[in-house]
Amino acid sequence: AQSVTQPDIHITVSEGASLELRCNYSYGATPYLFWYVQSPGQGLQLLLKYFSGDTLVQGIKGFEAEFKRSQSSFNLRKPSVHWSDAAEYFCAVDSNDYKLSFGAGTTVTVRA
Amino acid sequence: ETGVTQTPRHLVMGMTNKKSLKCEQHLGHNAMYWYKQSAKKPLELMFVYSLEERVENNSVPSRFSPECPNSSHLFLHLHTLQPEDSALYLCASSQERGLGANVLTFGAGSRLTVL
Repeated sequence: AQSVTQPDIHITVSEGASLELRCNYSYGATPYLFWYVQSPGQGLQLLLKYFSGDTLVQGIKGFEAEFKRSQSSFNLRKPSVHWSDAAEYFCAVDSNDYKLSFGAGTTVTVRA
Repeated sequence: ETGVTQTPRHLVMGMTNKKSLKCEQHLGHNAMYWYKQSAKKPLELMFVYSLEERVENNSVPSRFSPECPNSSHLFLHLHTLQPEDSALYLCASSQERGLGANVLTFGAGSRLTVL
């Protein structure tokens, strides 16, 4: 069965600084990969997804992620964070019908 | 109204109560899901419906009973819950079943507290 690991439980970053969130997955073949964001009191919103092709994918809100097969990673990045980026971020992998596996999430705090 | 709508947003119930959570999607999607979100744990898939047929039941206790009367509506009926069932219950939908098609649209969730 596939699994997803987000090594960082909590990250604090200054407004305007860069952000990188780590995601590692365990799966034998090439998975379908996702990043979702959850703002307080809200459901999850899709930031970006990787299915195939270019390993650097662009998403909404200025986020991007890079798929690295050799490292089984799909890290999320943003060059310059805004206070509104404070939220919880979830990496997910889909390798079977219906079965999205989520990581435990990384909480991002943005300080002024 | 668009997207996935969940009601109620907050629910407090005793262990002997019976209540229901409702989910409605206005996206024309064919698959609907219930997830449980507990603090600092990965989302747990509870149930999946495709074209109103249940296709997944992830060993969920029988005190949780789903119902999907049509492709736009999904319910989660709750009875004799335990305090450890307190969590955020998220409903989601997706266009089609199939590998890689699981781009989920989530509702805002129903925060359940069991006393």
